[in-house]
Amino acid sequence: GDSVTQMEGPVTLSEEAFLTINCTYTATGYPSLFWYVQYPGEGLQLLLKATKADDKGSNKGFEATYRKETTSFHLEKGSVQVSDSAVYFCALTSTGTASKLTFGTGTRLQVTL
Amino acid sequence: ETGVTQTPRHLVMGMTNKKSLKCEQHLGHNAMYWYKQSAKKPLELMFVYSLEERVENNSVPSRFSPECPNSSHLFLHLHTLQPEDSALYLCASTQHLAGGGNEQFFGPGTRLTVL
Repeated sequence: GDSVTQMEGPVTLSEEAFLTINCTYTATGYPSLFWYVQYPGEGLQLLLKATKADDKGSNKGFEATYRKETTSFHLEKGSVQVSDSAVYFCALTSTGTASKLTFGTGTRLQVTL
Repeated sequence: ETGVTQTPRHLVMGMTNKKSLKCEQHLGHNAMYWYKQSAKKPLELMFVYSLEERVENNSVPSRFSPECPNSSHLFLHLHTLQPEDSALYLCASTQHLAGGGNEQFFGPGTRLTVL
């Protein structure tokens, strides 16, 4: 079945550091890929998505590129801020009667001054 | 109200109580979901409703009973829960398309504690 593997956290960075959170996937067909973010005490919010190979999703300075050859969708940001501290989830959808999201375990990011 | 709302935000219940979680989506979507989020575990998909019909039930114990009276509302009825059912319960909705690929919109969740 479909699966998503994320790097273990927590990830602790100083403000303005470069961020990479690795995500790889296993899926049949051509899934769509997503990054969701969860701030403390809140539900999940879509951060960015890509629906086909070589697409780059971007939002709020975050980017991720759909790499079919390496089955990866790594999240990057050039300069993190304290306000980026949250849990980040990589996910994919399979096709079918209703879009079903398969999530990774989440990676907690802590950004300090 | 906009987006996906959930009530209550926090709930404490005993093992013999009966309670219900409510979710409402204001996005005109045609599919709704219940997820369970426990500490240090991946999000677990519990139920999927598409066009008000349950299309998926991921081996969830019968003490959890979903109800979808219309495309905008989703309930999760709880009875005789166990302490290990304590978790954050998230509701989500999407506009399902034949080709898939649409993102899900999440509510803020209900933090459930079972004593």
